[in-house]
Amino acid sequence: KAGVTQTPRYLIKTRGQQVTLSCSPISGHRSVSWYQQTPGQGLQFLFEYFSETQRNKGNFPGRFSGRQFSNSRSEMNVSTLELGDSALYLCASSPGTSGTAGDTQYFGPGTRLTVL
Amino acid sequence: AQTVTQSQPEMSVQEAETVTLSCTYDTSESNYYLFWYKQPPSRQMILVIRQEAYKQQNATENRFSVNFQKAAKSFSLKISDSQLGDTAMYFCAFMKAGGGTSYGKLTFGQGTILTVHP
Repeated sequence: KAGVTQTPRYLIKTRGQQVTLSCSPISGHRSVSWYQQTPGQGLQFLFEYFSETQRNKGNFPGRFSGRQFSNSRSEMNVSTLELGDSALYLCASSPGTSGTAGDTQYFGPGTRLTVL
Repeated sequence: AQTVTQSQPEMSVQEAETVTLSCTYDTSESNYYLFWYKQPPSRQMILVIRQEAYKQQNATENRFSVNFQKAAKSFSLKISDSQLGDTAMYFCAFMKAGGGTSYGKLTFGQGTILTVHP
């Protein structure tokens, strides 16, 4: 099976712009989680989607949003970019079929976002 | 809230030797899952090993094994016969079982940079 893919791999934006990142999960996986990785804060959970519904959300401002499509592909959007949003954004997919948390997450290669 | 602590920011080991990475966590939950992931310079996060808290038996995966001490809330990773390809940042991660605020959420430690020297 193909792994988790993320596009684009690299992005450069300026403050105030908005950006959309895309994630395609492993075939058959229905759960997609998003994480932000920075040197200062480490890896932080943004949100999780399952069957087009957001089931869980981390402590990020409303500028960070996401959605999931019927084919399980997911996008995350960041509006009004700030310098502090520069980070590696990782998505991870898991089967999500157990009905409860605990599935192993498989990660994509990430999108490196730089905000100037 | 759960917290995960990795007390060793950096470690180094000679090729073919054994190294142990430490991880402790804090939780009031009784049912949860623990993971070790590695992130090589390519930044691709790769699963190393998974442990279910209700299983007393320590998980193993080839050269990788864990020492899971539930009462002490400790979850260390042992890498035997270290190889150059093991050079990476290693993250310990926690996931609460159940639904609600558990869904899809891994809580990570700060990571340990492991360097394997020839």
